[in-house]
Amino acid sequence: AQSVTQLGSHVSVSEGALVLLRCNYSSSVPPYLFWYVQYPNQGLQLLLKYTSAATLVKGINGFEAEFKKSETSFHLTKPSAHMSDAAEYFCAVSLSGGYNKLIFGAGTRLAVHP
Amino acid sequence: NAGVTQTPKFQVLKTGQSMTLQCAQDMNHNSMYWYRQDPGMGLRLIYYSASEGTTDKGEVPNGYNVSRLNKREFSLRLESAAPSQTSVYFCASKGLAVVTDTQYFGPGTRLTVL
Repeated sequence: AQSVTQLGSHVSVSEGALVLLRCNYSSSVPPYLFWYVQYPNQGLQLLLKYTSAATLVKGINGFEAEFKKSETSFHLTKPSAHMSDAAEYFCAVSLSGGYNKLIFGAGTRLAVHP
Repeated sequence: NAGVTQTPKFQVLKTGQSMTLQCAQDMNHNSMYWYRQDPGMGLRLIYYSASEGTTDKGEVPNGYNVSRLNKREFSLRLESAAPSQTSVYFCASKGLAVVTDTQYFGPGTRLTVL
């Protein structure tokens, strides 16, 4: 069965510092992987997705993620954090086939302090 | 385009009461989904509708029913609310059947069952 593990329910960084949010997946078939962001009191918005093309995926707001099959990871990074990046981030995996039923991780809340 | 809309935004129920959460999308999408979000658990799929006229159970369907009224609308009904159903409910929609297509989320309904 597919599953997603996000290491660290809370991450705190200084403004201008590197952001690294960790995601590991478990899948018996080639996965499709997504990162979503949720700002306070809002729905989820897609940041980026891996669809088996390039392993380094660039998303919105300067975020990117690298698919590493050997490590079963899809970590999200941003070189320089901004105060507006404070939000909750969800990693999700989808089966190859079916109707895109997403399996979400528990989420990581990112705090950015001055 | 309004995207995915949900009503109501907030609701408080007493145990045993019933209610229907409404969801509509104006993107001509085929697939629609209902998720619940609980602290530390990410989003979990309740029901989904791959296309108009079809519905299927997700990960946590017990205590819920759904209706795909037409292509635009997908409602979620709680027949006899329980405190365990206190949660934030999100509706999502997706256009294509391919797994790599993006799900678009509504703003959520925050439900409290006393």
